[in-house]
Amino acid sequence: AQSVTQLGSHVSVSEGALVLLRCNYSSSVPPYLFWYVQYPNQGLQLLLKYTSAATLVKGINGFEAEFKKSETSFHLTKPSAHMSDAAEYFCAVEAGTASKLTFGTGTRLQVTL
Amino acid sequence: DVKVTQSSRYLVKRTGEKVFLECVQDMDHENMFWYRQDPGLGLRLIYFSYDVKMKEKGDIPEGYSVSREKKERFSLILESASTNQTSMYLCASSSPLNRVNQPQHFGDGTRLSIL
Repeated sequence: AQSVTQLGSHVSVSEGALVLLRCNYSSSVPPYLFWYVQYPNQGLQLLLKYTSAATLVKGINGFEAEFKKSETSFHLTKPSAHMSDAAEYFCAVEAGTASKLTFGTGTRLQVTL
Repeated sequence: DVKVTQSSRYLVKRTGEKVFLECVQDMDHENMFWYRQDPGLGLRLIYFSYDVKMKEKGDIPEGYSVSREKKERFSLILESASTNQTSMYLCASSSPLNRVNQPQHFGDGTRLSIL
């Protein structure tokens, strides 16, 4: 069975600092991986997805993620945090049955001045 | 853009009531999903559907049922609401089963309180 683990339920960074949100996956088959963002009182919005075409994936709002098979990781980064990045971020893996996703428990990102 | 619309943003019901949560998508997606979201637990899949009149149990189906009579509409039913079903409920849809790596598109959620 596939699963994802997000390390750190809360991450706080200063505006302009590097953002690093961690995600490790477990999968018995080549995984399909996603990062979603949830702003307050909204649903989830797709940030980026791993397609196996490239290990470094660029998404919206300046975010990117690198797939590392040897480390079973798919960490999300952004070089310079902005106040508008404050939200909850979810990593997800496609769980065998096509289109069925398993989500991590989420990381809430706080951005301070 | 894909639009997934959930009928209510906020809902307050009483213990024992039968509760209906409605979800409609406008992109002709075959797949539809219902999740509940609780702090510290992330999203957990309740039920999903790959086609009209089809349904499959997710990870936490107990106390819930679903209905999919039309392709664009997927309803979640709480047969007899209980306080432990107070939660945020999210509906999602995605492209067909045989196209892997397709993202799910989410509605804005229904925050349900059972008193």
